[in-house]
Amino acid sequence: GENVEQHPSTLSVQEGDSAVIKCTYSDSASNYFPWYKQELGKRPQLIIDIRSNVGEKKDQRIAVTLNKTAKHFSLHITETQPEDSAVYFCAATLMYNNNDMRFGAGTRLTVKP
Amino acid sequence: DGGITQSPKYLFRKEGQNVTLSCEQNLNHDAMYWYRQDPGQGLRLIYYSQIVNDFQKGDIAEGYSVSREKKESFPLTVTSAQKNPTAFYLCASSGQGQEQYFGPGTRLTVT
Repeated sequence: GENVEQHPSTLSVQEGDSAVIKCTYSDSASNYFPWYKQELGKRPQLIIDIRSNVGEKKDQRIAVTLNKTAKHFSLHITETQPEDSAVYFCAATLMYNNNDMRFGAGTRLTVKP
Repeated sequence: DGGITQSPKYLFRKEGQNVTLSCEQNLNHDAMYWYRQDPGQGLRLIYYSQIVNDFQKGDIAEGYSVSREKKESFPLTVTSAQKNPTAFYLCASSGQGQEQYFGPGTRLTVT
């Protein structure tokens, strides 16, 4: 089955700096890679996702890159703001087979004002 | 919020008691999931159901049971056989080929 590793486990940046979170996966068949943001005590919410037919996707200050050959994908947050502080989870799965989705252990991002 | 709900938000039980966590969705999603979240760990799949009256074990099903009698509902029972039941439980649902939407979670404490 799929195995997802996520680094770092904690990340602290100054407001305005960039933050990068990296994930690797083991199953080369995985083709859907979502990223979730979970604020303290709240539900995880999808912030961006990428499918294996593209290498990069952007949505305002957030971008995700995918390297299928190396089996790793990364989340990039630019111009960080205090409200970006949360735990971020990456995941990998086969599209149309969500029951096999595997999550990384999470990265706690702290943005200092 | 809305779409997928869980109740209660906080639940306290004595060791040895079974407890049932509720999960309801009005998104017309076929698939529903239960995850367990522990501090410093990712989400681990307990059970999932792709269709009414059918469900499958996830990675950590021991000590848990589920039912899927209605499309909208997927309750999870934490039995006394679960050795370490204190955790944050998240329910999710998804449509065909769609992202998973999570409920607000239930924090279960067993003493």
